[in-house]
Amino acid sequence: EAGVAQSPRYKIIEKRQSVAFWCNPISGHATLYWYQQILGQGPKLLIQFQNNGVVDDSQLPKDRFSAERLKGVDSTLKIQPAKLEDSAVYLCASSLGGGSGNTIYFGEGSWLTVV
Amino acid sequence: AQSVTQLDSHVSVSEGTPVLLRCNYSSSYSPSLFWYVQHPNKGLQLLLKYTSAATLVKGINGFEAEFKKSETSFHLTKPSAHMSDAAEYFCVVINAGKSTFGDGTTLTVKP
Repeated sequence: EAGVAQSPRYKIIEKRQSVAFWCNPISGHATLYWYQQILGQGPKLLIQFQNNGVVDDSQLPKDRFSAERLKGVDSTLKIQPAKLEDSAVYLCASSLGGGSGNTIYFGEGSWLTVV
Repeated sequence: AQSVTQLDSHVSVSEGTPVLLRCNYSSSYSPSLFWYVQHPNKGLQLLLKYTSAATLVKGINGFEAEFKKSETSFHLTKPSAHMSDAAEYFCVVINAGKSTFGDGTTLTVKP
């Protein structure tokens, strides 16, 4: 079974530029998550989708971050304009459903460095 | 609101000795609890999970964890550490679909 796919794996941009990350979840998984992991910290949820609807985006900095999952399958996370503090690993994950007992499966992450 | 506290940011053990990684949580309701492992430049991999069944949960690679409601703890243990266990470990609480991660414990295994 294919896992969660993410691209690009690594990206270096200058501050105020824009960047987009793509994620393809495990086939059949209705719930898709984007997490931000800053070095030395645990992952922090940015946004959670159930199919193509947003379940939780309370920690998404909406002035610069946006995400979509138009057809309920793959998803894109965009940052515009980027700030130095956005340097982090962006983890995409998926699960069968949003219930508490569902295992969350993670991709290998997209590493962003803002200079 | 819910939270997760991993009591040790770094743990160092010798190969062949026991491992104990400590996790305390707070949650308004009965949560599900997970341990994930992250090797360098890799994604997070599930070690084990508790979802209100048996309180002693066995996972992959010889790890296990015990859910203690009275102590709000979910500590991860392994009887004998192996060099390949060196990694970052995350305790996670999920309640009503909302996930909260601890800040992680770095496990170092000395030969």
